[in-house]
Amino acid sequence: TQLLEQSPQFLSIQEGENLTVYCNSSSVFSSLQWYRQEPGEGPVLLVTVVTGGEVKKLKRLTFQFGDARKDSSLHITAAQPGDTGLYLCAGDNGGFKTIFGAGTRLFVKA
Amino acid sequence: ETGVTQSPTHLIKTRGQQVTLRCSSQSGHNTVSWYQQALGQGPQFIFQYYREEENGRGNFPPRFSGLQFPNYSSELNVNALELDDSALYLCASSLDFNNSPLHFGNGTRLTVT
Repeated sequence: TQLLEQSPQFLSIQEGENLTVYCNSSSVFSSLQWYRQEPGEGPVLLVTVVTGGEVKKLKRLTFQFGDARKDSSLHITAAQPGDTGLYLCAGDNGGFKTIFGAGTRLFVKA
Repeated sequence: ETGVTQSPTHLIKTRGQQVTLRCSSQSGHNTVSWYQQALGQGPQFIFQYYREEENGRGNFPPRFSGLQFPNYSSELNVNALELDDSALYLCASSLDFNNSPLHFGNGTRLTVT
């Protein structure tokens, strides 16, 4: 069974701080995605990483795919209250199913 | 471009009843996947429909069933509801079944009492 473990489960920080959240698995994935979900809404895709070692930047967010394509990280620089939400990593193994981790719930205090 | 829409937004049912949830896929998308998200958890894959056929299924019992229509909209049916079926049910459409990015609706919040 493929599992994606995310850490930490919950993070509460002050505005302006930096943070990193992690997504780990013992399985290899053909791609990993990061989604953000706000209360009462569905997840929204932030990025897809495909190549081992790949780094993608989206404004203050930096995403990295591990060399072995088993793990990924999301780093946020100078967090803002608008970054508050549930961050989900999701993996594809080349099949029909995308599996999700349990998420990291981020709260950024003003 | 119309996004994924789900109905109803909220639903309360009694244990043992049956429920039907509906999803309209994003324009141009032929694949619909359904997920169950319990409180505090990530979405769990229920099944996927591609061109009106079930294309794969997660670890859910047969009382969870679905349909996809010629316009690629979809239904999720759950029979003999149990208390543990209380969750947010998310529908996601994608361009194709083969690892295309998922576009989610805002879900249906089902409460079983």
